[in-house]
Amino acid sequence: AQKVTQAQTEISVVEKEDVTLDCVYETRDTTYYLFWYKQPPSGELVFLIRRNSFDEQNEISGRYSWNFQKSTSSFNFTITASQVVDSAVYFCALSEARDSNYQLIWGAGTKLIIKP
Amino acid sequence: DGGITQSPKYLFRKEGQNVTLSCEQNLNHDAMYWYRQDPGQGLRLIYYSQIVNDFQKGDIAEGYSVSREKKESFPLTVTSAQKNPTAFYLCASSISLGQPQHFGDGTRLSIL
Repeated sequence: AQKVTQAQTEISVVEKEDVTLDCVYETRDTTYYLFWYKQPPSGELVFLIRRNSFDEQNEISGRYSWNFQKSTSSFNFTITASQVVDSAVYFCALSEARDSNYQLIWGAGTKLIIKP
Repeated sequence: DGGITQSPKYLFRKEGQNVTLSCEQNLNHDAMYWYRQDPGQGLRLIYYSQIVNDFQKGDIAEGYSVSREKKESFPLTVTSAQKNPTAFYLCASSISLGQPQHFGDGTRLSIL
C-alpha cells in the first residue's frame, strides 16, 4: 500500500541554521510523483516542488534544496540558512501514475519552528 | 490576481444544520478538490472534480456533498449526517488531475 511518512513531528532551530525535513514513501508503482507543500500559520498550502520518479537529480531553488533517493525511497527537503519566515508546517505527498485519478497521499506534516 | 477564494473564513454550525462552504477559482483550472485537515494530521480528500458536471468521492465523503455546475465553483455542503464536522477545510484546484494543486486560505468550521 502506498504511504508517506514524515517521522519528524516538530523541529525547532535557531535562525541561520540549516535544517532537513525527512520524507519516506512507499509505493509499488514505477511511475509516481512526489510533492512538497508549505503551510504557513495563515493556513493556505503553498506548492513548493513536484518531482517525477524518473528524475533523480537533486534540485536547488535559492535556500531550498531537495534530495531524491529512490534507493532509500526518500525525498528530503533542506532549508539552508533558515529564516523566521520559514516557520510553517511542511507536507510531503505522493501520487501514483497507475491511479488514473492521481490522488495525493499526504504525510502528516512536520512543524518547523525557526527561532530568532 | 488569479487565485482561489474560500468563504467564509470561519463558520459555525448548529446541531442538525447543513452548512455550505464556498470555493471559487479564476485560474481556469479543470480540476478542483476539497480536503479536510484535523490538528496534527495530513490532509484527507473529501471530494474531487475532474471537470464540470463531474465529481468523485474521496476517502472521507460520508456526510458531505458537492456540486460542480460551473468551472469556477465547487461548493461543499457539510450535512447533519457528518457527526464530527469540526475541522479546517481546504479547497484546491489544478490544471488537470495530477498537476500541482493550488490552495485557498481555508474555512474553519466549528460546532455551536
